[in-house]
Amino acid sequence: LAKTTQPISMDSYEGQEVNITCSHNNIATNDYITWYQQFPSQGPRFIIQGYKTKVTNEVASLFIPADRKSSTLSLPRVSLSDTAVYYCLVGGGTGFQKLVFGTGTRLLVSP
Amino acid sequence: GAVVSQHPSWVICKSGTSVKIECRSLDFQATTMFWYRQFPKQSLMLMATSNEGSKATYEQGVEKDKFLINHASLTLSTLTVTSAHPEDSSFYICSARDGQAGNTIYFGEGSWLTVV
Repeated sequence: LAKTTQPISMDSYEGQEVNITCSHNNIATNDYITWYQQFPSQGPRFIIQGYKTKVTNEVASLFIPADRKSSTLSLPRVSLSDTAVYYCLVGGGTGFQKLVFGTGTRLLVSP
Repeated sequence: GAVVSQHPSWVICKSGTSVKIECRSLDFQATTMFWYRQFPKQSLMLMATSNEGSKATYEQGVEKDKFLINHASLTLSTLTVTSAHPEDSSFYICSARDGQAGNTIYFGEGSWLTVV
């Protein structure tokens, strides 16, 4: 199982771009990289998933270098409602795989 | 995105009783489901992984006789906390793998269990 390392916390202000980097040195060939957002007392919410290069959707972008040993979640123009814990997970490839959560990154967006 | 529903969202039970939490994948078939528990301000801790039609695989330190997991169909998994005690009070979250969507994992809303 790939272990992930993220910063414990980050602070930002409304309207800024936030980049959260995750290290996953032991990622396997068939592992995907998935980011989730969690608010208190709620289940994690899927944000974005990628395998390599760059993926973009309506809420975020995911940058993955060629060696795939890290990834960066980019949140453009954050708002107060983006204050949450963000988890980076690797896995979910073919076959029987489980997802183990790391500590996550607590993002605090201030006015 | 795909929807995973948990029920109940919160439950209070007396010590010594059992309580069942249901996890349903509403718009996809989930061959694999996962159960987590989470304490306040901590990360999710994986309890067990279940495949439809087979026994669940429990993580080290999780009592399988206390936390009974059943995955009888491709859309339903249940977690039964047997002989519950106050220390079992926690936030329980299930997730399900959508094999048709790049094996993306979707999570339920979570269930708060309070044992009094």
